[in-house]
Parts: sequence; C-alpha cells; structure tokens
Amino acid sequence: SAVISQKPSRDICQRGTSLTIQCQVDSQVTMMFWYRQQPGQSLTLIATANQGSEATYESGFVIDKFPISRPNLTFSTLTVSNMSPEDSSIYLCSVEEPRGNIQYFGAGTRLSVL
Amino acid sequence: KQEVTQIPAALSVPEGENLVLNCSFTDSAIYNLQWFRQDPGKGLTSLLLIQSSQREQTSGRLNASLDKSSGRSTLYIAASQPGDSATYLCAVYNNAGNMLTFGGGTRLMVKP
Repeated sequence: SAVISQKPSRDICQRGTSLTIQCQVDSQVTMMFWYRQQPGQSLTLIATANQGSEATYESGFVIDKFPISRPNLTFSTLTVSNMSPEDSSIYLCSVEEPRGNIQYFGAGTRLSVL
Repeated sequence: KQEVTQIPAALSVPEGENLVLNCSFTDSAIYNLQWFRQDPGKGLTSLLLIQSSQREQTSGRLNASLDKSSGRSTLYIAASQPGDSATYLCAVYNNAGNMLTFGGGTRLMVKP
C-alpha cells in the first residue's frame, strides 16, 4: 500500500491569508485527490489532480479558491486561499492504487481560521 | 448520483457488546466498498475493503458484509472495546468516474 505524508498536520491561520498543504507519496501514482471534511461532516471531494493536466474540480469548488499543483507523480499541493472561518476543516489527500480502485489517505491537515 | 447513508449516526454501547453498523447506497453499480475508521481530528484508516464480487471480509473482530443488489453493507464489531471508540465511515467506489462517495459516518462510543 502507498504511504502518504501530508504537511502541515495542523495550523491556525488568520482570516484573509493563504495556506499551502503538501502531499507526498512514496510511489508514483496517476491519480491524487483532495478532500475536505468540515466539522461534524463526512468527506467531500474537492478535486482530482492528475499529473500533466489541470485539476478537475467538483461542484462548489473553484480553482481561484483552491489552486492545486501536481508537478510530478509523487507530489501535490492544495492551497486554501483568502481564508475565512468557514474554511476551518480537515483537508485530506488520497491516492488511488492502480489495481482495485483502492484509495489510501494521508493523515490530514487540521486547519483553524480565526 | 450515488448517495451513501449510514445508520445510526451515533451509537453508545457498554464494553463487550457486539454491534452492527449499517451502510446503504443508492446505485448498485459499484466497484468496491470500504469501511474506514477516523479518530477525532485525525485522518482515515482503512479497515476493510470488499470488492463488488465478494460478500464479506473479516479482519480480527471486524466483519463486513456486502449485498450489492440491495445496496447494503454492514460492519459487525465483536466484543467491543473502549479503544474502538471512533467514527466509522463507509465509502463506495463507483464504476463510473473513479469517484469515492462517503456516508455521513457513525460515531461510536464504547463505555468501559
């Protein structure tokens, strides 16, 4: 199974600032995903990040607010821009194993916006 | 659009009880179903994965079943322990679109 390192594990940020979350995988993967989990809620997919192409965003999420980079097959970043308290959530990255459509998750980034 | 529902939303049981968590989904065209555990403020730990062709999977005190035709899965936890206290999430992988859809989770509390 893939091992995923996500940084930072948590952060407290001021309103109006931006935070970039990093996701590093120990093997090359084609598909990486970013999820958001708001307090008391389940996970919601933000976008799918494939290397060499623009990220595909789900309804309700836009590139200006959540720009994503995918420079190679082992790394991706998610930026939460111009943050407000409503952005306080856990953000998780995951990767898909080529066989079996299994996703593995990073430990998550717990973001609090004051 | 796939919808996944988990019942109950919260459950509190005394230590030692056997318990069942339920997951239902609306579109039976799934590739697989996963059960995850999430501790407060943490990421996800995969517990069990059931392929669409399988009916159940077991790991230790955990047993997950899948009835694809009726759109249901159950997670059975035997002899529950306080360390089992966490939120349990069920997620289905749809055949189309490489999409993983999560249920709302069941928050489990096992009291000593």
